Order: sequence, then structure tokens, then C-alpha cells
Amino acid sequence: GAVVSQHPSWVICKSGTSVKIECRSLDFQATTMFWYRQFPKQSLMLMATSNEGSKATYEQGVEKDKFLINHASLTLSTLTVTSAHPEDSSFYICSASDRGDSYEQYFGPGTRLTVT
Amino acid sequence: LAKTTQPISMDSYEGQEVNITCSHNNIATNDYITWYQQFPSQGPRFIIQGYKTKVTNEVASLFIPADRKSSTLSLPRVSLSDTAVYYCLVGDNFNKFYFGSGTKLNVKP
Repeated sequence: GAVVSQHPSWVICKSGTSVKIECRSLDFQATTMFWYRQFPKQSLMLMATSNEGSKATYEQGVEKDKFLINHASLTLSTLTVTSAHPEDSSFYICSASDRGDSYEQYFGPGTRLTVT
Repeated sequence: LAKTTQPISMDSYEGQEVNITCSHNNIATNDYITWYQQFPSQGPRFIIQGYKTKVTNEVASLFIPADRKSSTLSLPRVSLSDTAVYYCLVGDNFNKFYFGSGTKLNVKP
């Protein structure tokens, strides 16, 4: 099956710094990737849709200047949390679709971000 | 805004069959129904997907009535390792997935 990876799997950063999270589709091309955030004991919340070669589309309430998304190629999307604060500490998950016959989205393993 | 409604939690015992029902009254013609399993601190894992009637794979069955306004995920003979959160989603791979609360399944010995 299709595989999506994320890097790093966990990261600790200091308040005010920026952190970049990578999402890669390993064996398929993904024109669209999605970024989610999940707080403890809560469901996944869609943050934005990442489109290869164009600007990301953000969900209502998500600050586009704080969560920078770049989809530079058909296999890589990055999420940069700028000027991170402790309240940004969360589990960030990406997903991608190969738009084949299967209407399936493939999820990455997630990245745990802790801001101190 | 999530387009699905599921029970918040369910308890079961090892070896039992578990059925989790999901309501999706506003499902669109092009939407598929997909179920995911999530363990703590992991990304969701695909379980099964269907459009209508019944779909079965090596781990689960999915029952979808003719009106498609609900669906039931059936897990045969659950084990302790099936303890997880199960999410029902509707949409296709061109659309965004909005996750509902999911169903936390607790399998007891």
C-alpha cells in the first residue's frame, strides 16, 4: 500500500522559534496533501489543504501566517510553525491521496511538537 | 464541520463481534464511506471503504443500507489489540476529510 512518512516524529523547541515538519509520499505522487492537528484525547482537526505548485487553502480559524505550508513537489509538503508558543504543542498529522481508483487517504505517522 | 455522528465509546470483550454504527444523513452522491482506526500517538490507519451494500476485507465488514444515510463497521472476534478509536468519514479523495469525535472501543479480557 501507499506510504506517507513524516519527519521528525517528535520535536521539542523553545517558545518563539520556528519548526518545520516534512510530509512525504514515498511511493506515489500526491497533488494534494492535508494537514491535521490533534490535541490530547481529541479528534483530528483539519488545518489546511496543500496543493502542489499553488498556495495552501486554510480552514477557518487557522492562521496562515503562523502555519506556513509549502508543497514544492508531488511527493513533499512542509508545515512550518512560526514563532511557536506552548499552545501550539500538539500532534500534527498529514495525509495524501494518489487519486487512483481507491478513494483512500493515506496518513502519516504524525509529529509530536512540544513547545517549552 | 464533521458530517458524521458516532457513539462516543463502546465496550466489548475479547472474541466478541463488535458493530459500530455511523450516521451520515447528508452524504453526497459522490461520497464514499471510509473507516479508520487510530491508536494513541499514531496516524489513522485505513480499515475499509465502501459505497453501497456490503464490503468485506480481511479485517472487517462494512454494511451500508440502500439510502446510504448510515453505515456499520463490523469487527469479528475482537482482541485486546483492537482497543482504539474508530473514525467514520464520508467524502472522496478529492475532498477534505472532517473528522468527527470517533468511537473509542475498549476491548476487555
